[in-house]
Amino acid sequence: DAGVIQSPRHEVTEMGQEVTLRCKPISGHDYLFWYRQTMMRGLELLIYFNNNVPIDDSGMPEDRFSAKMPNASFSTLKIQPSEPRDSAVYFCASRPGTANYGYTFGSGTRLTVV
Amino acid sequence: AQSVTQLDSQVPVFEEAPVELRCNYSSSVSVYLFWYVQYPNQGLQLLLKYLSGSTLVESINGFEAEFNKSQTSFHLRKPSVHISDTAEYFCAVRGAGSYQLTFGKGTKLSVIP
Repeated sequence: DAGVIQSPRHEVTEMGQEVTLRCKPISGHDYLFWYRQTMMRGLELLIYFNNNVPIDDSGMPEDRFSAKMPNASFSTLKIQPSEPRDSAVYFCASRPGTANYGYTFGSGTRLTVV
Repeated sequence: AQSVTQLDSQVPVFEEAPVELRCNYSSSVSVYLFWYVQYPNQGLQLLLKYLSGSTLVESINGFEAEFNKSQTSFHLRKPSVHISDTAEYFCAVRGAGSYQLTFGKGTKLSVIP
């Protein structure tokens, strides 16, 4: 298995632009999570899905952030409009429904908003 | 809700010396505990986990952690570190009945030659 695949690896964009981050979870994993990592706040859970349905989006910082999972093999996290304080590394993770498994993380997308 | 405290943000240690990375948690329900490792410019990788049973759990590369319920701790230890252990280590907790992991702020382990 190729693991959790995120794209792009790096994104540099100007303030005000729309940014879309992509994630392909491991096949067969029922849960998908989006995390944001910054020096100041560490790892924060933004939203997670179960069987493509958003379960908890309480970590989404503002209405500028939205996430979708149109099918079991693809999810997007969109920021519109982007701001410099959104600069961070965004991780996607997935896991099966069985309780004994931990998460498998992607390599992350490093977002820089200038 | 659960929370995790990693008391040390950075831990420098000489090669072949022992190390302990501290982790304390709080939760109103029973918990599952995890340690993840993040190498530079990479995602997090599961190092070891405690789900039930023996309170001492081990990883394949010589790390171990012990679940101490009375002290609400899950400290990570290694008797002799290598240069390749240089990374950031995250402790995480998941409450029973929840699918969410709550992470600590991480501890950067620097192994000095």
